[in-house]
Amino acid sequence: EIVMTQSPATLSVSPGERATLSCRASQSVSSNIAWYQQKPGQAPRLLIYGASTRAAGIPARFSGSGSGTEFTLTITSLQSEDFAVYYCQQYNNWPPDTFGQGTKVEIK
Amino acid sequence: QVQLQESGPGLVKPSETLSLTCTVSGGSISSYYWSWIRQPPGKGLEWIGYIFSSGSSNYNPSLKSRVTISVDASKNQFSLKLSSVTTADTAVYYCARDNLQGIDYWGQGTLVTVSS
Repeated sequence: EIVMTQSPATLSVSPGERATLSCRASQSVSSNIAWYQQKPGQAPRLLIYGASTRAAGIPARFSGSGSGTEFTLTITSLQSEDFAVYYCQQYNNWPPDTFGQGTKVEIK
Repeated sequence: QVQLQESGPGLVKPSETLSLTCTVSGGSISSYYWSWIRQPPGKGLEWIGYIFSSGSSNYNPSLKSRVTISVDASKNQFSLKLSSVTTADTAVYYCARDNLQGIDYWGQGTLVTVSS
């Protein structure tokens, strides 16, 4: 099973600043990862797939990069609605699809 | 717009079987993979398994001995059964559509508590 490790666990950012979230895979997953945003009491929402492709309706301030084992989600100019928990997921080697443990982006 | 809705008991006794159904509306269940994912309170996401509309399925090896996912295309529904539950199975259970490049549609989730 591929283990996905996200860092940091919590990221404190001021509105308008940039947030950089990391996700590392225990072995290569090519570009087969997705990123999700989850707000309290809600289901996750797909942000990015294929490591760097924004899902439908996702604002351009969200971008993804990386391949192999190292991946990054960048949120430029954080808006109030962006404070949430973010998960990465690999779908290269399954079963199972595996998720990272999440990074909470909180208001500084 | 595809919508998914979970239904089933919110309370299950230890050692019994958890059963949930997901109804898909706004689109056909055909030609997609349909997943179950769970989230224990305050914790992260765990993929349980998925089923293709034809009926072929794949499960998380850690749960495989206890899980069955089935599909009823005539009703646009798919279902989850998890046997021999313990308190560790208490979680919000989500049904979702997996397009093999991410999970693009999710149900709202349903909390299932395992308790006597």
